[in-house]
Amino acid sequence: DTGVSQNPRHKITKRGQNVTFRCDPISEHNRLYWYRQTLGQGPEFLTYFQNEAQLEKSRLLSDRFSAERPKGSFSTLEIQRTEQGDSAMYLCASSRDRARGEQFFGPGTRLTVL
Amino acid sequence: GQQLNQSPQSMFIQEGEDVSMNCTSSSIFNTWLWYKQDPGEGPVLLIALYKAGELTSNGRLTAQFGITRKDSFLNISASIPSDVGIYFCARSGSEKLVFGKGTKLTVNP
Repeated sequence: DTGVSQNPRHKITKRGQNVTFRCDPISEHNRLYWYRQTLGQGPEFLTYFQNEAQLEKSRLLSDRFSAERPKGSFSTLEIQRTEQGDSAMYLCASSRDRARGEQFFGPGTRLTVL
Repeated sequence: GQQLNQSPQSMFIQEGEDVSMNCTSSSIFNTWLWYKQDPGEGPVLLIALYKAGELTSNGRLTAQFGITRKDSFLNISASIPSDVGIYFCARSGSEKLVFGKGTKLTVNP
């Protein structure tokens, strides 16, 4: 039973570069979520998908951020023109429909913007 | 934004001791979740609570959903070194989870 996987696990980039992260959810899970976590804080919601439809986006998701889930399976999160403030752990989670709130997280992608 | 107040912020205990931490909110929610996060990893779900007053155990862990639906606590009995980590409470009232700031647990052998 494979869990949520994320790639890469670590990414170091220079300010102004674009980066893309991938998330593969648990196979039977229809819902996929992206969160961002900074040091000393809990994860903060960014966006979520039900199948391929992006149904909610947080105000944290500026226009430099875009997320896709083209076939309702894996998802990508792209950050354009990265800024130092984008440095954080980006977490992906998935859940079944009607899961009563239970979300299962991947190991995260640690982004460092120099 | 909506916040959860989680306390204590950190705890230093001796191996074998019991631990208690709690989480409060100003609003009522339908689901409380407790997660544990190790350094450099994603949060792992420990316990989910769905009804006011519900008491649920998972091994040495016990969590309760407060009767007012505005709070929850997590107890760890007979702590061991691998209990080290950050424990987060989270509430679910819609699709997204809202997390507390975490309780960092250190267990001295």
